[in-house]
Amino acid sequence: KAGVTQTPRYLIKTRGQQVTLSCSPISGHRSVSWYQQTPGQGLQFLFEYFSETQRNKGNFPGRFSGRQFSNSRSEMNVSTLELGDSALYLCASSLTGQGWGTEAFFGQGTRLTVV
Amino acid sequence: AQTVTQSQPEMSVQEAETVTLSCTYDTSESDYYLFWYKQPPSRQMILVIRQEAYKQQNATENRFSVNFQKAAKSFSLKISDSQLGDAAMYFCAYRSAQGNKLVFGAGTILRVKS
Repeated sequence: KAGVTQTPRYLIKTRGQQVTLSCSPISGHRSVSWYQQTPGQGLQFLFEYFSETQRNKGNFPGRFSGRQFSNSRSEMNVSTLELGDSALYLCASSLTGQGWGTEAFFGQGTRLTVV
Repeated sequence: AQTVTQSQPEMSVQEAETVTLSCTYDTSESDYYLFWYKQPPSRQMILVIRQEAYKQQNATENRFSVNFQKAAKSFSLKISDSQLGDAAMYFCAYRSAQGNKLVFGAGTILRVKS
């Protein structure tokens, strides 16, 4: 069974640009969550999608957005990039996301560098 | 809001020895889950062990075990017979029973000496 796949693995963007990251969850998983990891702030929850609907959202500005498609694949978009957006972005998938046994499985992340 | 605290930024252990990583959390909920994740240099988060709050029995997975003290809101990870492959960043995480958001601690870097 294939794991969580994130593309691209590495990305370099210029301030002011926008970027789209992709996440393909484990087959059968319907919940996809996104996290930002930085040395200063650690791991922070961005948002969660379940059955194409945003179910939960973290405390990030509106420049950060996401969506989920009918096949459960998810994308997150960051517009008007700032230097502080440089981070490792992790995607996690789970069966439903609630209840026991629905632990999150993570992808290898996308390393975004904003210059 | 829930918080997770890992007070040990870095720990070292000799190969084959035992090490304990500390984690405390704060919540007003009674039903929740706790996890330990490992993040090696490859950056992929790997689930090490999990615990349900309403289960008093401590979880065990091979060389990994936890000491879950619900009243004290403490959730420590014990690694026995440490191996070089255990070297990584370890994160303690909390998840409400009603949601899917993971709240992570700051992490503990574990170094294993040969």
